[in-house]
Amino acid sequence: EVQLVESGGGLVKPGGSLRLSCVASEFTFSRYAMHWVRQAPGRGLEWVASISTSNTYIYYGDSVKGRFTISRDNAKNLLYLQMDSLRVDDTAVYFCARVRDPRYFDAAGALDVWGQGTLVTVSS
Amino acid sequence: AVRLTQSPSSLSASVGDRVTITCRASQGVSSALAWYQQKPGKPPKLLMYDAFTLDGGVPSRFSGRGSGTNFTLTISSLQPEDFATYYCQQFNSYPPFTFGPGTKVDI
Repeated sequence: EVQLVESGGGLVKPGGSLRLSCVASEFTFSRYAMHWVRQAPGRGLEWVASISTSNTYIYYGDSVKGRFTISRDNAKNLLYLQMDSLRVDDTAVYFCARVRDPRYFDAAGALDVWGQGTLVTVSS
Repeated sequence: AVRLTQSPSSLSASVGDRVTITCRASQGVSSALAWYQQKPGKPPKLLMYDAFTLDGGVPSRFSGRGSGTNFTLTISSLQPEDFATYYCQQFNSYPPFTFGPGTKVDI
């Protein structure tokens, strides 16, 4: 079964750091661009960041730019989100998601496979 | 940045009803728009991409129309499993890959 599984969430103090991981299985990870999307408690979806298949195209939302870093290890089928200088309003469930069509190598495509999400809580 | 608005923000409907949700973009996004369904505690599920193409396994009671700035998602006959929140997302002008604020469909 095609699957994405996130890990690395938890409780962190404001100003702290966390690294989220997302492991892909049962598909050729290196062929697909990937995204991180988050959802604060009781709120809607917010796009966070995306990365192309070969790291050429990397994009961030304004609210995380300069604080978060998206990366991938195609050899290990892993997607990462390094989150630094965390703020209370970064509290959310973080989902990784796959771009449906591998032709959209720059990540500009619909997201067809999603992980279950990992909760990040930023609180003192 | 492209902004997406959805209307209504919520609606109440009954099983068997025809339901239409609208997504409007602040500038044209061609047909680079997707629709997702999300149930509480679950990740979003892709329903439609390229504005009107159903993803695999999505029932045919779901349909999409539109291009440019105005898009609709229609459920022709609402089923119990369709009660959820629906989001649109654009992929034409980026970053960001903007989501709409969501439309909650409940009983």
